[in-house]
Amino acid sequence: QKEVEQNSGPLSVPEGAIASLNCTYSDRGSQSFFWYRQYSGKSPELIMFIYSNGDKEDGRFTAQLNKASQYVSLLIRDSQPSDSATYLCAVINYKLSFGAGTTVTVRA
Amino acid sequence: GAGVSQSPRYKVAKRGQDVALRCDPISGHVSLFWYQQALGQGPEFLTYFQNEAQLDKSGLPSDRFFAERPEGSVSTLKIQRTQQEDSAVYLCASSFTSGGEGTGELFFGEGSRLTVL
Repeated sequence: QKEVEQNSGPLSVPEGAIASLNCTYSDRGSQSFFWYRQYSGKSPELIMFIYSNGDKEDGRFTAQLNKASQYVSLLIRDSQPSDSATYLCAVINYKLSFGAGTTVTVRA
Repeated sequence: GAGVSQSPRYKVAKRGQDVALRCDPISGHVSLFWYQQALGQGPEFLTYFQNEAQLDKSGLPSDRFFAERPEGSVSTLKIQRTQQEDSAVYLCASSFTSGGEGTGELFFGEGSRLTVL
């Protein structure tokens, strides 16, 4: 079992809609969770991190964490074409372990 | 420079050749990581340095892979006798904190794309 699993996608949403990305992790002791965005041919960049159960909002992005279910998600509200990218879920245990990523395409 | 710099950006090697990939992290960053990213996959951990010490090399796929960071700044990933399955993007990342804790923000370079023919 991989340490981090993501819904494989690809995910296509119309402009203005909500994109919902899901991730599960295997290490129950994990404490910190991250979402990175990676544009095609570019390197990953951090967009959100979350430590505590519940929701964390940053602009159009909301991360949700449920440690009991070992589940973390990312919602992108009012999706824009510029949000089209691969979104990587990551868990830290001194090093980041990444999921395979979910590719999101926002249709104009 | 302001960011993590990697070279070469692109490398084509014939099977069996040795290659060396360089990473120049952000000045002052303690932690340095190497990841391998195959097409359509997330980055896979290869190895981790804290300053000049290689604290974890558990992700190196074989003994053909070797990494060093002798002075605690620039790092080199060397792949000997390259195989086709080594074709991937090799990402270097650095972090100010040791172990990448805190925000967990790793600053990635643009990667070195290796193609083995």
